[in-house]
Amino acid sequence: KQEVTQIPAALSVPEGENLVLNCSFTDSAIYNLQWFRQDPGKGLTSLLLIQSSQREQTSGRLNASLDKSSGRSTLYIAASQPGDSATYLCAVRPINQAGTALIFGKGTTLSVSS
Amino acid sequence: GAVVSQHPSRVICKSGTSVKIECRSLDFQATTMFWYRQFPKQSLMLMATSNEGSKATYEQGVEKDKFLINHASLTLSTLTVTSAHPEDSSFYICSAIRQGARGYTFGSGTRLTVV
Repeated sequence: KQEVTQIPAALSVPEGENLVLNCSFTDSAIYNLQWFRQDPGKGLTSLLLIQSSQREQTSGRLNASLDKSSGRSTLYIAASQPGDSATYLCAVRPINQAGTALIFGKGTTLSVSS
Repeated sequence: GAVVSQHPSRVICKSGTSVKIECRSLDFQATTMFWYRQFPKQSLMLMATSNEGSKATYEQGVEKDKFLINHASLTLSTLTVTSAHPEDSSFYICSAIRQGARGYTFGSGTRLTVV
């Protein structure tokens, strides 16, 4: 059974710092991996999606990497800002099967102080 | 892009009553929708997979008679929490994927509080 783990559970950093969020998964048979942002009491905003054949994806100050063989992904946030404060969720999609849901980690709650 | 509209965003109901949550795919047809539940400081846990025109598939431990799912059209899936109790208070969120797309789209979620 696929399990997704995110470390750390919480992180507090001063504004401007670069940081790395970690995600690991137990079964490397994935179709893709997606990073989401969730603000308190809100839905999910997709940040980056990495196909299983890809190594990394970048969007602005965000960079996500994927090492499928070792079951790891990282989300790198450069020059963090207070507006980045949120919970970041990692989710994997198992090998493409009709009607397959995403499997989520518990998330990393990030707090960036000004 | 693919948009999923979910409402209500927030509902407070009395214990013993039923609550219906709707999810609509606005610009695509969703043959499959997923319903998740999220307790405070916990991850999103899949409750059920909703398929248009057929019965939903429920995850182990989720009571199908309590959480009624209807997916009567390609753009609408509903989750009804029947005889709600305080322990059903949670954040419920749906998702769908447009055919050919790689990523899932999520609704904005519904915060249910049962008093």
